[in-house]
Amino acid sequence: DIQMTQSPSSLSASVGDRLTITCRASQFINRYLNWYQQKPGKAPKLLIFAASSLQSGVPSRFSGGGSETDFTLTISSLQPEDFATYFCQQTYSTPFTFGGGTKVEIK
Amino acid sequence: QVQLVQSGAEVKKPGASVKVSCKASGYTFTTYAIHWVRQAPGQGLEWMGWINTGSGDTTYSQKFQGRVTITRDTSASTAYMELSSLRSEDTAVYYCAKEAYGSGRNWFDPWGQGTLVTVSS
Repeated sequence: DIQMTQSPSSLSASVGDRLTITCRASQFINRYLNWYQQKPGKAPKLLIFAASSLQSGVPSRFSGGGSETDFTLTISSLQPEDFATYFCQQTYSTPFTFGGGTKVEIK
Repeated sequence: QVQLVQSGAEVKKPGASVKVSCKASGYTFTTYAIHWVRQAPGQGLEWMGWINTGSGDTTYSQKFQGRVTITRDTSASTAYMELSSLRSEDTAVYYCAKEAYGSGRNWFDPWGQGTLVTVSS
């Protein structure tokens, strides 16, 4: 199975901050990498697919990058509604594994 | 709009089985696969398996092989996930998700609202 390692597992930030979350795959996944946002009691919501493509309707302050095994999710200017947990996911091979999540909290 | 609506919360005893439904609307059901993912309380996301809604072919995570069965009813645009021999560690929110794809890649969008399954004696 491909292991997905996210860092950090949690962080505190302020509105307006720029933040970057990283996700490392245990093997090459050829940009089969997606990012989701989850708020308490809600289902995950797709933000970024195929490593860097912004899902329709998602604000442009979200961006994704990376290739091969190392990927990033960047929020250019954190907004109040962005406080949530973020997960990466690989769909290169089954089982489709997720990172452990990054909880973004208000400083 | 594309939507997945899941069945309601369940409480089961250890050793029992549970069957969760996922009704799709807003698109042609047999065109896109449906995946099942679970999330234990306060934990991360765990992929369980998927069904090709056109052919009915399934692939399961090795972790759940032998205990999980995913099926679909094309006439009802509904997918089902049945988990047997339940134990307390199976207490979780179970999600279905529609697979989307493009440029040779695939992702999950949208997700159902989730179904809480509680296993308790």
